Amino acid sequence: AQSVAQPEDQVNVAEGNPLTVKCTYSVSGNPYLFWYVQYPNRGLQFLLKYITGDNLVKGSYGFEAEFNKSQTSFHLKKPSALVSDSALYFCAVRGVNTGTASKLTFGTGTRLQVTL
Amino acid sequence: KAGVTQTPRYLIKTRGQQVTLSCSPISGHRSVSWYQQTPGQGLQFLFEYFSETQRNKGNFPGRFSGRQFSNSRSEMNVSTLELGDSALYLCASSLAGARNTEAFFGQGTRLTVV
Repeated sequence: AQSVAQPEDQVNVAEGNPLTVKCTYSVSGNPYLFWYVQYPNRGLQFLLKYITGDNLVKGSYGFEAEFNKSQTSFHLKKPSALVSDSALYFCAVRGVNTGTASKLTFGTGTRLQVTL
Repeated sequence: KAGVTQTPRYLIKTRGQQVTLSCSPISGHRSVSWYQQTPGQGLQFLFEYFSETQRNKGNFPGRFSGRQFSNSRSEMNVSTLELGDSALYLCASSLAGARNTEAFFGQGTRLTVV
């Protein structure tokens, strides 16, 4: 079975400072990893994905994520946070070698609060 | 290009009733998945349809069902509603349902059961 852990319910950071939202995963074989963001009363918006290749993945709105196979982690980062980044962030995994299963398994979400 | 469209956005139903939610995927996308989001359980996978066939199903009771039409539009139905079915129901579409492609989500249908 595949699973995702987001150990922090909330992350607080001042505007202009770097931010990190943590994610670890468990899956049989190689993973496909995704980050999504959710604003209040909205659906999930895709930020970035790791499929293969370079461990540092760049995505939308200046976000990036680092894949670390040995630590089974896929942390989301941004060099300089904005107040408008305040939202709920979800990490998700999909196994490569799981038959025909294509479902995304999500973490519990991390609320990012960026303050002035 | 239009995104994933879910209708209605909000619904209030009474226990015991049934409800049908609709999802129109991005044009050209053939895979549609449904998720339930609640504060207690988070995001949980309901089912996935591809080319009118259910390809995968989550751990939900048989009261939850779905279907996909030839134009890729999808509906999900919940019968005999319970208070615990109150949730945000999200639909996601992807190009061909391949595991390395991202899913694009609609804004969701907020279902309240009273």
